[in-house]
Amino acid sequence: GAGVSQSPSNKVTEKGKDVELRCDPISGHTALYWYRQRLGQGLEFLIYFQGNSAPDKSGLPSDRFSAERTGESVSTLTIQRTQQEDSAVYLCASSLGLASEKLFFGSGTQLSVL
Amino acid sequence: GQSLEQPSEVTAVEGAIVQINCTYQTSGFYGLSWYQQHDGGAPTFLSYNALDGLEETGRFSSFLSRSDSYGYLLLQELQMKDSASYFCAAPNDYKLSFGAGTTVTVRA
Repeated sequence: GAGVSQSPSNKVTEKGKDVELRCDPISGHTALYWYRQRLGQGLEFLIYFQGNSAPDKSGLPSDRFSAERTGESVSTLTIQRTQQEDSAVYLCASSLGLASEKLFFGSGTQLSVL
Repeated sequence: GQSLEQPSEVTAVEGAIVQINCTYQTSGFYGLSWYQQHDGGAPTFLSYNALDGLEETGRFSSFLSRSDSYGYLLLQELQMKDSASYFCAAPNDYKLSFGAGTTVTVRA
């Protein structure tokens, strides 16, 4: 596609429910990243993929968070047993390679946990 | 680890010049990037400095001094559409670490 696509754009869920967020990176981009942005704050790194592999999961806030990537393309971020503190915008980005200074971001998924 | 510090907000009038400073501490440094994010939008890449000096791209310029662990983004001839958050960022291992962002408000 022309850019990074994320779905859904908005998600409202009840505390305790599981949610799945999807990211379609730019075709050919081998690196994919997930960030979290709370209202009025900076970007908090969650996890990155090189191909389908995620070598470093230390940025995930808790074991309720998991992510996978298949076919060196689509990635999903899953949050289990959501908490109100999980409310934020979840941004996905891709780049041609790792440690790139130029990331291409999607418009994010606004997650609201009631 | 890596930390990047930048002012939280700046206000200026149309046509003015704004400088957003960014100081960083890092165990390994490759260069400094700048991103713009309009309210509710995606961050978009503005510039990257790998070497010391000034890089100019239209009304925006970015500067880096590796010896001072310091860089800045210069916004010239401010326009209302420049009202946004601006983030400095640096590669850290295999990811990009971001500063907390500077909110620029342009007044008529």
